[in-house]
Amino acid sequence: GDSVTQMEGPVTLSEEAFLTINCTYTATGYPSLFWYVQYPGEGLQLLLKATKADDKGSNKGFEATYRKETTSFHLEKGSVQVSDSAVYFCALSETGNQFYFGTGTSLTVIP
Amino acid sequence: DTAVSQTPKYLVTQMGNDKSIKCEQNLGHDTMYWYKQDSKKFLKIMFSYNNKELIINETVPNRFSPKSPDKAHLNLHINSLELGDSAVYFCASSQGQDYGYTFGSGTRLTVV
Repeated sequence: GDSVTQMEGPVTLSEEAFLTINCTYTATGYPSLFWYVQYPGEGLQLLLKATKADDKGSNKGFEATYRKETTSFHLEKGSVQVSDSAVYFCALSETGNQFYFGTGTSLTVIP
Repeated sequence: DTAVSQTPKYLVTQMGNDKSIKCEQNLGHDTMYWYKQDSKKFLKIMFSYNNKELIINETVPNRFSPKSPDKAHLNLHINSLELGDSAVYFCASSQGQDYGYTFGSGTRLTVV
């Protein structure tokens, strides 16, 4: 069945450091891939997405590239800010009836 | 504002009580969902409805019963609440595989 595996946290970085959060997936067909962000006390917000192989999703300085050959969708940001502290979820969907989420990676950015 | 709204935001109740959480979306999406998020932030799908029809019903105790009076509403009723039901419950909606979810802000349920 479909599944998503993302790196375990928590991750702690200094401001302006480079961020990578790894995400790999298992799917039977051609899924769409997503990154969601959850700030403390809030619901999940869509951060970026990619719907086919080699697509790059980007938003707010974050990027992720849909790599079919490595079944990966790693999240990157060149220079993190304190305001990026949140929990990040990788997710996939093949049908729209269900989205499969990773376990979440908590990021704390310290000044 | 276009959104997914769920009420209440906080719910504190005693074991054995029955409670409901309401969810409404004005985005015109056909599919709505309920997710449970535990204390470790793990998200587990509970139910999925497409145009008022139940699509996904995961292994959830039958004390949990979803109701969708129309495609813009998906309510969650919980009977005989237990301590283990304490969690944050998220409603979400989607217009298809390529579009992702729009989540509500969550209902933090605490059973004492």
